[in-house]
Amino acid sequence: AQSVTQLGSHVSVSEGALVLLRCNYSSSVPPYLFWYVQYPNQGLQLLLKYTSAATLVKGINGFEAEFKKSETSFHLTKPSAHMSDAAEYFCAVSVGGTASKLTFGTGTRLQVTL
Amino acid sequence: SQTIHQWPATLVQPVGSPLSLECTVEGTSNPNLYWYRQAAGRGLQLLFYSVGIGQISSEVPQNLSASRPQDRQFILSSKKLLLSDSGFYLCAWSGNNGGQPQHFGDGTRLSIL
Repeated sequence: AQSVTQLGSHVSVSEGALVLLRCNYSSSVPPYLFWYVQYPNQGLQLLLKYTSAATLVKGINGFEAEFKKSETSFHLTKPSAHMSDAAEYFCAVSVGGTASKLTFGTGTRLQVTL
Repeated sequence: SQTIHQWPATLVQPVGSPLSLECTVEGTSNPNLYWYRQAAGRGLQLLFYSVGIGQISSEVPQNLSASRPQDRQFILSSKKLLLSDSGFYLCAWSGNNGGQPQHFGDGTRLSIL
């Protein structure tokens, strides 16, 4: 079975600083990997996805993530944080199949300070 | 484009009362459909998923049930709510090819008194 570990339940950065949210996965087959963002009392919005094409994936809102098979990682980065980036971020893994079931990490809450 | 609708947005119910949450998808056909629960301070727990009309798979034993009476309609139900059923319920859809991302509704905040 696949799993995802998000290191750090809370991350705080200053506005304009680099954002780095960590995600490590475990999967016995080549995975599909996703990052989602959730604002308070809203559903999850897809930021980006890795589906075995380019290892560096660019998403919306200036975020990107790099798939590193040797490290089983899919960390999310953004060069310069904005106040509007404050939200909860979830990493998720799927091993495909008709059902496309996702296994989510426990989430990382990003705080952006002035 | 595809859209997903969930209602109601918030719901307050007494213990022991029934529940019906509805989710509909527009702009796509034969989607996979999912129900998740998100408890306070925790991640998402997959409750049910469906790959077709009348096909429901349950991920965890619980007090809830799901039905898919039409291709783009997914309903979450309970005959008698428990306090532990409180949480944020999210519906999602995906394409039916492997590795598709899921797209989420805005959720229903359910409070049990």
